[in-house]
Amino acid sequence: NAGVTQTPKFQVLKTGQSMTLQCAQDMNHNSMYWYRQDPGMGLRLIYYSASEGTTDKGEVPNGYNVSRLNKREFSLRLESAAPSQTSVYFCASLPQRNSYEQYFGPGTRLTVT
Amino acid sequence: AQSVTQPDIHITVSEGASLELRCNYSYGATPYLFWYVQSPGQGLQLLLKYFSGDTLVQGIKGFEAEFKRSQSSFNLRKPSVHWSDAAEYFCAVASDSSYKLIFGSGTRLLVRP
Repeated sequence: NAGVTQTPKFQVLKTGQSMTLQCAQDMNHNSMYWYRQDPGMGLRLIYYSASEGTTDKGEVPNGYNVSRLNKREFSLRLESAAPSQTSVYFCASLPQRNSYEQYFGPGTRLTVT
Repeated sequence: AQSVTQPDIHITVSEGASLELRCNYSYGATPYLFWYVQSPGQGLQLLLKYFSGDTLVQGIKGFEAEFKRSQSSFNLRKPSVHWSDAAEYFCAVASDSSYKLIFGSGTRLLVRP
């Protein structure tokens, strides 16, 4: 049972390049989330998926797209990376709607130059 | 709107000393409150949570937190800090409308030998 896994662990992009961050969970959780973490700002929600087939915007969705590929996988895409998207990205999952306890992956550190 | 405030950006304590990390929340109803810990280069791990009932909750690694509705606070405590407790600590409140977490900006704990 690996929990929540994220790939890659590190990535450097040039401005304007695109990439997809992958997240998978093997706990049969219904909801999945993407956060970004910036110094002094805690974690901010980018997008979430309450269940397979649905996605919704969070607090800071601009510049990102997501895909809930199936129950296990939730990817985050940067179509045209900008330096302001330099951050650490965390994926999380939630077992069921009345539990509230989210389980986090190890993070992806992204640098955009 | 819901919000979480962690007024201390950094706290330094000596090993063996007691610790209290402050958290204040803004929420209209009874909140669901969490403390997470993030060790360097790692994802977030849940320390403890409060949903209802006893206002003093026990967590992992010897941590506890007390919910005080009158002060809108959920402070984290530990009677004797170990060097391995050096990490960043995040307080969070759950949004009951969509099971999203609102995080504070975090408190970085440094432990002096």
